[in-house]
Amino acid sequence: AQSVTQLGSHVSVSEGALVLLRCNYSSSVPPYLFWYVQYPNQGLQLLLKYTTGATLVKGINGFEAEFKKSETSFHLTKPSAHMSDAAEYFCAVSFGGYQKVTFGTGTKLQVIP
Amino acid sequence: GAVVSQHPSRVICKSGTSVKIECRSLDFQATTMFWYRQFPKQSLMLMATSNEGSKATYEQGVEKDKFLINHASLTLSTLTVTSAHPEDSSFYICSASVLGDRDEKLFFGSGTQLSVL
Repeated sequence: AQSVTQLGSHVSVSEGALVLLRCNYSSSVPPYLFWYVQYPNQGLQLLLKYTTGATLVKGINGFEAEFKKSETSFHLTKPSAHMSDAAEYFCAVSFGGYQKVTFGTGTKLQVIP
Repeated sequence: GAVVSQHPSRVICKSGTSVKIECRSLDFQATTMFWYRQFPKQSLMLMATSNEGSKATYEQGVEKDKFLINHASLTLSTLTVTSAHPEDSSFYICSASVLGDRDEKLFFGSGTQLSVL
């Protein structure tokens, strides 16, 4: 079975500060890992994904995430928060491909001017 | 990028009535479509997977007779909540996958907030 835990349902950061959204997973097989972002009244948009290869994955809008197998983590970071980053972020895991994707409960990011 | 249109975005209905939600891939033909449900402060839970022209595969605990899925074409899937009750009030979201040149891609609709009175 697979599961995802996102620590912190709400995270607030100041504009220009580091963004760190935490995600831990459990999977009995090598996972595919995803981060999605959802802006108000919009669908989920893929930020980045890890399948195989390089463990540091760069995504859109300056976000990146590092797959750490020993820590079963896939935390999302961005060096400098922008007001437009305010949204809800979902971490997700699958055994492979997009079948049976399991989502975390989401983290709402607030950016304070 | 590819667009998945989900309609309606919000619906309020009386208990006992049926509600249909549409999910369309606007500029691509979807290999597979997925339906999720999200309760407040919970994660998206996969309800069912559907392929065009075949019966949907439902996840454990999801009543197939209550949540009817029709995948009539490669660009349209519908979810009908039959005899809706207040406990069916939730956020329903669809997604569509397509095989690209390099890998499979998944695109999400904007969701439907269902409120059953």
